[in-house]
Amino acid sequence: AQTVTQSQPEMSVQEAETVTLSCTYDTSESDYYLFWYKQPPSRQMILVIRQEAYKQQNATENRFSVNFQKAAKSFSLKISDSQLGDAAMYFCAYRSAYGGATNKLIFGTGTLLAVQP
Amino acid sequence: EPEVTQTPSHQVTQMGQEVILRCVPISNHLYFYWYRQILGQKVEFLVSFYNNEISEKSEIFDDQFSVERPDGSNFTLKIRSTKLEDSAMYFCASRFLRGTGQGGGYTFGSGTRLTVV
Repeated sequence: AQTVTQSQPEMSVQEAETVTLSCTYDTSESDYYLFWYKQPPSRQMILVIRQEAYKQQNATENRFSVNFQKAAKSFSLKISDSQLGDAAMYFCAYRSAYGGATNKLIFGTGTLLAVQP
Repeated sequence: EPEVTQTPSHQVTQMGQEVILRCVPISNHLYFYWYRQILGQKVEFLVSFYNNEISEKSEIFDDQFSVERPDGSNFTLKIRSTKLEDSAMYFCASRFLRGTGQGGGYTFGSGTRLTVV
């Protein structure tokens, strides 16, 4: 079974600085998707960025980028120029590319990011 | 941008009562899911639904839970006899393609906070 591990329960960053959130996963599959979701205090789940495992190029969305190391099964999220609105819980998630309709998301335990003014 | 809509946003119910959580997925999406997040814990998969039937359910999704899509638009989660431990945030999600289209991502609703007293 696949697992997702986030080893940093909490992180803190100064406004305008850069922070990296770690995520590792375990799978025997070769094709899958990885995601970072943001959950602000409202508790809504907001997709931040996604990565397809077959793509070697790291995904980027504005100030958010990932470092995807497939061999190491690592998927870290870098937030550049941190803003107060980035403060939230961040979840790493895995989804198999196989299995059709099921393809559930498997979440890590989350990293709570605080942004200091 | 299309949204997944969940109602109510917050529901308080007496232990032993039945509750129905409602979701309106994005209209052209084919796959539907319910996830649960107990306060302070990670997001857990409950059930996936495709082609008008359950495609997978987790151990959490016991006989007290049921899902249906009665009219082709709403997607509901029913808990027949609520327990204190059912108190959680319940998220509905939908997805369009099972393959690589759209990066295989989900769209989540904003959640229903269920409090069982």
